[in-house]
Amino acid sequence: ETGVTQTPRHLVMGMTNKKSLKCEQHLGHNAMYWYKQSAKKPLELMFVYNFKEQTENNSVPSRFSPECPNSSHLFLHLHTLQPEDSALYLCASSQAMRTSGENEQFFGPGTRLTVL
Amino acid sequence: GQSLEQPSEVTAVEGAIVQINCTYQTSGFYGLSWYQQHDGGAPTFLSYNALDGLEETGRFSSFLSRSDSYGYLLLQELQMKDSASYFCAVSGTDKLIFGTGTRLQVFP
Repeated sequence: ETGVTQTPRHLVMGMTNKKSLKCEQHLGHNAMYWYKQSAKKPLELMFVYNFKEQTENNSVPSRFSPECPNSSHLFLHLHTLQPEDSALYLCASSQAMRTSGENEQFFGPGTRLTVL
Repeated sequence: GQSLEQPSEVTAVEGAIVQINCTYQTSGFYGLSWYQQHDGGAPTFLSYNALDGLEETGRFSSFLSRSDSYGYLLLQELQMKDSASYFCAVSGTDKLIFGTGTRLQVFP
């Protein structure tokens, strides 16, 4: 398997449920990202991991909890979500950010989350 | 604050040329990227400009003017498969900041 994969592709959950989104990259990258994409809004960066260390938490509510056990895997743990959290959650990976700024990111297909 | 502005929608016919503009206000600017996203698909990288000027890759070209905080994506010889959303993104110190996206519809 190549590229960036995400599971599940679709998820419906109630506000009291706990679920996890999984992302795996097979590109040898050292940086991984979680984004939220809602209709009519720009891609919102949620979390950044460089070499398994979290380097960015973009004011994300604590009901979203990331985990990066190694440079190939990234999880997003979800609990007590709200209906407004319904969105497409995209994972991406890249070579670790350099000061030169060029940072081609490779995206997974996303998980379409619906919170009832 | 940081912001990027793009037109929300552009329409064109097959074979035409279309230009999608992007203006930005950010700190820590290193370069401007463009991504394409088809409905139901993942964003895919198209181009990156760190220096002023035009970069050409096949039918697509990207331009940057750092002094004007402005760039554009130029799509030539449009094809139906080019119908998608196009996002500009600014490279900061350790992350990308994306614009709201421009939905391009190509008609026969």
